[in-house]
Amino acid sequence: DAGITQSPRHKVTETGTPVTLRCHQTENHRYMYWYRQDPGHGLRLIHYSYGVKDTDKGEVSDGYSVSRSKTEDFLLTLESATSSQTSVYFCAITPSGGAGTGELFFGEGSRLTVL
Amino acid sequence: SQQGEEDPQALSIQEGENATMNCSYKTSINNLQWYRQNSGRGLVHLILIRSNEREKHTGRLRVTLDTSKKSSSLLITASRAADTASYFCATVPSGTYKYIFGTGTRLKVLA
Repeated sequence: DAGITQSPRHKVTETGTPVTLRCHQTENHRYMYWYRQDPGHGLRLIHYSYGVKDTDKGEVSDGYSVSRSKTEDFLLTLESATSSQTSVYFCAITPSGGAGTGELFFGEGSRLTVL
Repeated sequence: SQQGEEDPQALSIQEGENATMNCSYKTSINNLQWYRQNSGRGLVHLILIRSNEREKHTGRLRVTLDTSKKSSSLLITASRAADTASYFCATVPSGTYKYIFGTGTRLKVLA
């Protein structure tokens, strides 16, 4: 158990509404990542963080923003959800000395449906 | 897109047979990793091979890496029904902290 909790695990929302997904870790790891998983595309990196208030864009960052005000929490926000953002979202972490060199530990995913 | 490709997309074999899946990627890398995902769950790390390594084993898993061809293969020997899952490769492009995943191979092992 890597000590990662994602919330909510399931959410249904309507187009145009804001949505925030939370990733909480108990490991005090520095690096945190948000991915989305869609059929035929595997996992695609949305944003990642390399410390409190330090974040960077991934491959598919348009329409998403992130915040990290505490080491343990990494928030992913859809300011105005669209149907194309219907997906399963995964959070992942890696130890401070392991970024780029170690393994990722994944949460159980958050399934988001935008109607 | 930096995303890699895996083939086959799906593979169905009998229990006891070996399963081989391949991964191709696009950039120079620090290392390549393989992950497994059971249906509806998060990914779990299987094995990591560094860019200066050519082959690595752990248990029934064997991974090879050919950096000149930008490709890797994962071999699962003596497969079991419990190996049924999706398998993903992930690369870390040199000089970055980004983990870039392939599109995955769905493996089904028939008992």
